[in-house]
Amino acid sequence: AQSVTQLGSHVSVSEGALVLLRCNYSSSVPPYLFWYVQYPNQGLQLLLKYTSAATLVKGINGFEAEFKKSETSFHLTKPSAHMSDAAEYFCAVGGTSYGKLTFGQGTILTVHP
Amino acid sequence: NAGVTQTPKFRVLKTGQSMTLLCAQDMNHEYMYWYRQDPGMGLRLIHYSVGEGTTAKGEVPDGYNVSRLKKQNFLLGLESAAPSQTSVYFCASSAASRRETSYGYTFGSGTRLTVV
Repeated sequence: AQSVTQLGSHVSVSEGALVLLRCNYSSSVPPYLFWYVQYPNQGLQLLLKYTSAATLVKGINGFEAEFKKSETSFHLTKPSAHMSDAAEYFCAVGGTSYGKLTFGQGTILTVHP
Repeated sequence: NAGVTQTPKFRVLKTGQSMTLLCAQDMNHEYMYWYRQDPGMGLRLIHYSVGEGTTAKGEVPDGYNVSRLKKQNFLLGLESAAPSQTSVYFCASSAASRRETSYGYTFGSGTRLTVV
């Protein structure tokens, strides 16, 4: 069985500040890990994914995430927030049959001017 | 280059009515999925399909049926809608993968369903 916990349903930062969105996972098999972003009234877009290669993964829009097996974590970071980063972010874990993903509850990121 | 297309985008149903949501993908993906999104609960898997003519239950299948008669289409049906089925429904597709791998999904833009 797999599960994902995103710590903090809402995160608020100032423009230019560090963004840190937390994700912890549980998996009985080597995990494949994903971060998706959802802008208002849109579908989910892939930000980045970890597939057992490099533990530091770079994604689109300046985001990156680090896979830490010992901590079962895959936190998402961005050095400097932009107003356009305001959205809901979902962490997901896969690696079981038929490519199925299990999603976390989501974190809403608010960016203040 | 449409990707995954969902129709309709919005729908209001009365309790007890039926409807079908259509998902179409043009990427020749083998796997297709239906999720529902509710506030604070993330996305939960309703049903999925690993190929034409096959379907399987996900985490929350009750009250829904699906069909995949053509590889590019995956239909989600509500036979008798209930207010608890008010949600945003997302379809996603993925290339076929070996066991214990995941390539990630391409998502549609969603269908917002309200049952009154």
